Amino acid sequence: DAMVIQNPRYQVTQFGKPVTLSCSQTLNHNVMYWYQQKSSQAPKLLFHYYDKDFNNEADTPDNFQSRRPNTSFCFLDIRSPGLGDAAMYLCATSRVTGGGTEAFFGQGTRLTVV
Amino acid sequence: AQSVTQLDSQVPVFEEAPVELRCNYSSSVSVYLFWYVQYPNQGLQLLLKYLSGSTLVKGINGFEAEFNKSQTSFHLRKPSVHISDTAEYFCAVSDDKIIFGKGTRLHILP
Repeated sequence: DAMVIQNPRYQVTQFGKPVTLSCSQTLNHNVMYWYQQKSSQAPKLLFHYYDKDFNNEADTPDNFQSRRPNTSFCFLDIRSPGLGDAAMYLCATSRVTGGGTEAFFGQGTRLTVV
Repeated sequence: AQSVTQLDSQVPVFEEAPVELRCNYSSSVSVYLFWYVQYPNQGLQLLLKYLSGSTLVKGINGFEAEFNKSQTSFHLRKPSVHISDTAEYFCAVSDDKIIFGKGTRLHILP
C-alpha cells in the first residue's frame, strides 16, 4: 500500500544534542509537510516543500531545519533540542497545495528530550 | 485568514448513543473543510471532506458531517458510537495550507 512512513516512532534525545527525524513516502506526492503537535494541542505547521521549493512558516524557530534530497524522503533536523521541543512530529504529503487538497499523514515520531 | 473553532475539548458519550462534534469556521473565500481522526499515538487519518456540492458528506466508519453556510458550521455526527471510536477529532480548513482546530477528545462510556 502507498503510504507515508516515519522513523523512528519514538526518539529520545539529550538536551542540546542534534537529532534528525525522517519521513518517506511512496505516494509520489509533490508536497511534504512537517507538523509539530504538543500534548492536547492541534498540529502546527513548521514548513513544507513543494518539490524542491522550501516554505518556512514565519513563526518556526531557527532551531528547526529540513532537507528533501529527493521526492521520496524528507528530514526534520533539530539543531539544539530544548525541553520545549518535546512533542509528536507529524509528516504529511499531498499531491499539490491549494484549497481542498487532502493531506496524508504518517504515524508520527514522538520526541522526548532529557 | 481562515480558521476553525472546536467548541468542545472533550465529549463523553455512552456506547451506542449518537454523538455530534461541533466545528465552526471562518473564511472569506471558498471553503474546503475536513475532519481528521487521531487514535492514541498515531498520525491523522481523513474521515471526510467537503469541497463543494451536497452539503451532507458521508465519511468512513459511519461518520457524516453537514456543511451549513449560514451558520458557518461543519459539525460531525455519528448515529451510534462504538468503543473503537475513542480518539481525538480535528476539524480543519484549507486554503494554501491546512489549518487545524484544537481538537475534540471523544470518550466512549461503557
